[in-house]
Amino acid sequence: DAGVIQSPRHEVTEMGQEVTLRCKPISGHNSLFWYRQTMMRGLELLIYFNNNVPIDDSGMPEDRFSAKMPNASFSTLKIQPSEPRDSAVYFCASSLWEKVYEQYFGPGTRLTVT
Amino acid sequence: DQQVKQNSPSLSVQEGRISILNCDYTNSMFDYFLWYKKYPAEGPTFLISISSIKDKNEDGRFTVFLNKSAKHLSLHIVPSQPGDSAVYFCAASVPPDKLIFGTGTRLQVFP
Repeated sequence: DAGVIQSPRHEVTEMGQEVTLRCKPISGHNSLFWYRQTMMRGLELLIYFNNNVPIDDSGMPEDRFSAKMPNASFSTLKIQPSEPRDSAVYFCASSLWEKVYEQYFGPGTRLTVT
Repeated sequence: DQQVKQNSPSLSVQEGRISILNCDYTNSMFDYFLWYKKYPAEGPTFLISISSIKDKNEDGRFTVFLNKSAKHLSLHIVPSQPGDSAVYFCAASVPPDKLIFGTGTRLQVFP
């Protein structure tokens, strides 16, 4: 299995621009998670889906952030407009619903907003 | 409010010695506790877990201890190896469906 795939690996953009991060979960996994890693807060859960349905988006910092999962093999995290404080590494992870404690992470997208 | 806390941002240990990484939590409803390991430029990978009904779980050089009364868990690595140098995240499972992670501890194992 190829594991969780994220793209792009690196993104540099200017403040105010729209940013879209992409994730392909492991085939057969029915739960998908978006995290943000910062020095101050570690790994923060932003939103997660079960069977393509958003379950909990309470971790999404602001309305500028949105996430979709149109099908079982694809999800996006969008930031519009982006701000310098959004600079972080964003991870996508997937798991089986009944084994949420064993999540498989993608390599992450390092986002820099200047 | 951080429900899972790793108060030591870094730890340096000599090769062959024991590494002890600590984690505190506040929510007694957590049902599983886990440790994830992260190398630079990679995503975290699952290392070891422990159910809230147990107090110890061992897997090779890695042992996790859980002290429910103190709301504290620790990861012991014996003996430590240079390849263990990484960031270690403590995490807790909120039933039924999500994990809460700590801020991580960077372990450096030197020769």
